[in-house]
Amino acid sequence: EAEVAQSPRYKITEKSQAVAFWCDPISGHATLYWYRQILGQGPELLVQFQDESVVDDSQLPKDRFSAERLKGVDSTLKIQPAELGDSAMYLCASSPSYYEQYFGPGTRLTVT
Amino acid sequence: AQSVAQPEDQVNVAEGNPLTVKCTYSVSGNPYLFWYVQYPNRGLQFLLKYITGDNLVKGSYGFEAEFNKSQTSFHLKKPSALVSDSALYFCAVIRSNDYKLSFGAGTTVTVRA
Repeated sequence: EAEVAQSPRYKITEKSQAVAFWCDPISGHATLYWYRQILGQGPELLVQFQDESVVDDSQLPKDRFSAERLKGVDSTLKIQPAELGDSAMYLCASSPSYYEQYFGPGTRLTVT
Repeated sequence: AQSVAQPEDQVNVAEGNPLTVKCTYSVSGNPYLFWYVQYPNRGLQFLLKYITGDNLVKGSYGFEAEFNKSQTSFHLKKPSALVSDSALYFCAVIRSNDYKLSFGAGTTVTVRA
């Protein structure tokens, strides 16, 4: 069964450093999402792509976060510089339609 | 705001007993409702969804959920809980204004042996 892949699974970084996460969606899924999940809370959408275009990045802190999906397949989410409050689980999901989302295993980020 | 609410932070049950995780929703129009489960340090796994049709929806791992329009609820149920069902459960709804998935705060289920 096809799955969404994410790497790394765990990342520890010092504040003010740069960090990047990678996501490979299920083949053929045009829509890709990045979510942030703070411990004890539900995921919150950061950015949504349709193919290579950003559809919604209204909740992305653009002063430090960036996301790209250059060829409309895999995607990278970057944080520079990382802050203590960025410690969270970062989840990627892909979708063949707006009511089906398949989540990857996530990247657990710890900023020290 | 269009959203879901999970009124219980934690649910504790004994193995073999029925399990219910509550969810209520607030959306305009017809709701698209979902349940996901998350094990420690893992991503979200899809359990089931209600789009249209029968109010009783059957999903993965023996779970089911009942859509109740009059009570605006979508409670998750399992007739006989297993220790391995211990996890964090999220209810979610597709918002009708922007088709974004909005999650509840989650309910931690602990099934004791």
